[in-house]
Amino acid sequence: KAGVTQTPRYLIKTRGQQVTLSCSPISGHRSVSWYQQTPGQGLQFLFEYFSETQRNKGNFPGRFSGRQFSNSRSEMNVSTLELGDSALYLCASSLESLAASNTGELFFGEGSRLTVL
Amino acid sequence: AQSVTQLDSHVSVSEGTPVLLRCNYSSSYSPSLFWYVQHPNKGLQLLLKYTSAATLVKGINGFEAEFKKSETSFHLTKPSAHMSDAAEYFCVVESGANNLFFGTGTRLTVIP
Repeated sequence: KAGVTQTPRYLIKTRGQQVTLSCSPISGHRSVSWYQQTPGQGLQFLFEYFSETQRNKGNFPGRFSGRQFSNSRSEMNVSTLELGDSALYLCASSLESLAASNTGELFFGEGSRLTVL
Repeated sequence: AQSVTQLDSHVSVSEGTPVLLRCNYSSSYSPSLFWYVQHPNKGLQLLLKYTSAATLVKGINGFEAEFKKSETSFHLTKPSAHMSDAAEYFCVVESGANNLFFGTGTRLTVIP
């Protein structure tokens, strides 16, 4: 079956703009979590959505937001972009919420590489 | 509090020699632990996971890891490196608060 699909794969924005990234999970997966990967900070958890509800949120400012639709597809939005937002944004899907037992097996997309100029 | 430390940012081995990628964790309870691999311009792929069953965990591509509670370690090993193993490897600990903590990664270089 198809894997996790992220769009767009690459994009360039300027400071102050906003961006929306999309993630389509594996069919049947209800949890989508988002991560930011940068050379300096490594991989950091942004938030998780499960059944259209945000279940948990990492330590990021309110400019970072997301949502999940009834078909489990998720979007994340970053407003008022800053240079430091340049990163690879990864999403991952799983059958159950990260809170469920024996979880942790995440299926990652290839990421959306955002460059802010 | 949960945290994970990957002791080496970069490991270089010759093809056919053993691989050892080190990971230490901190957790206030029995954690679940994972190793993920990331090839260039790709997402992460699960190599193996420990969830309080057998302490020696076998994963894909010949990798295995041993959970040692007394040493709070979960080192990743492979008997013989292959060129295709060159990638970045992440050790991950799962907290009870619905969250995953990633190590900073170890870049493995395999020399032909």
